[in-house]
Amino acid sequence: QVQLVQSGAEVKKPGASVKVSCKVSGYTLTELSMHWVRQAPGKGLEWMGGFDPEDGETIYAQKFQGRVTMTEDTSTDTAYMELSSLRSEDTAVYYCATSAAGNDAFDIWGQGTMVTVSS
Amino acid sequence: SSELTQDPAVSVALGQTVRITCQGDSLRSYYASWYQQKPGQAPVLVIYGKNNRPSGIPDRFSGSSSGNTASLTITGAQAEDEADYYCNSRDSSGNHLRVFGGGTKLTVL
Repeated sequence: QVQLVQSGAEVKKPGASVKVSCKVSGYTLTELSMHWVRQAPGKGLEWMGGFDPEDGETIYAQKFQGRVTMTEDTSTDTAYMELSSLRSEDTAVYYCATSAAGNDAFDIWGQGTMVTVSS
Repeated sequence: SSELTQDPAVSVALGQTVRITCQGDSLRSYYASWYQQKPGQAPVLVIYGKNNRPSGIPDRFSGSSSGNTASLTITGAQAEDEADYYCNSRDSSGNHLRVFGGGTKLTVL
């Protein structure tokens, strides 16, 4: 059974960067396509980007292009999402999500990581 | 703005049937997946593909699609179904990007 365990809450100042981790257990990271989704307080879900197995590359939502980097360490089965040039609007819960069934849906989610951007 | 459009709020009487819809051009080519989210919790997948339920999801949840509209139907809504529901699919650019609908708050009366 796949589980995703994320790193703890972060508080950052505007202009800083944050790196959130997502540890996979029950599968190896190479068997999964990892995606990242965020949710600002009281708002809806927002897809940030993820691995596209059809093209074999990581793709990003246009909104985050140039500011987000998603990487993987296959030796530790850990995925990372780094967001730079943080602003107050980036305050949100950040989730990693994947499909253990190998389809287009996200059937496994991490528990979420709260990132607060405040001066 | 989202490329997938959902009604912000829907209500249903206990035990009745409710349909939550999601509209977008990309739905003419791709299936939507549906997620239930309760306060303070991570989303949970309830429907994916043509009309598939993950293990553990009650059979009162079903999905359908017609033209540019995907629907999530709850037949015999229960109090515990009160939650936010989000659809997700590919966007219409053809670049394999994903997009979520704005979400629908379901109230069970």
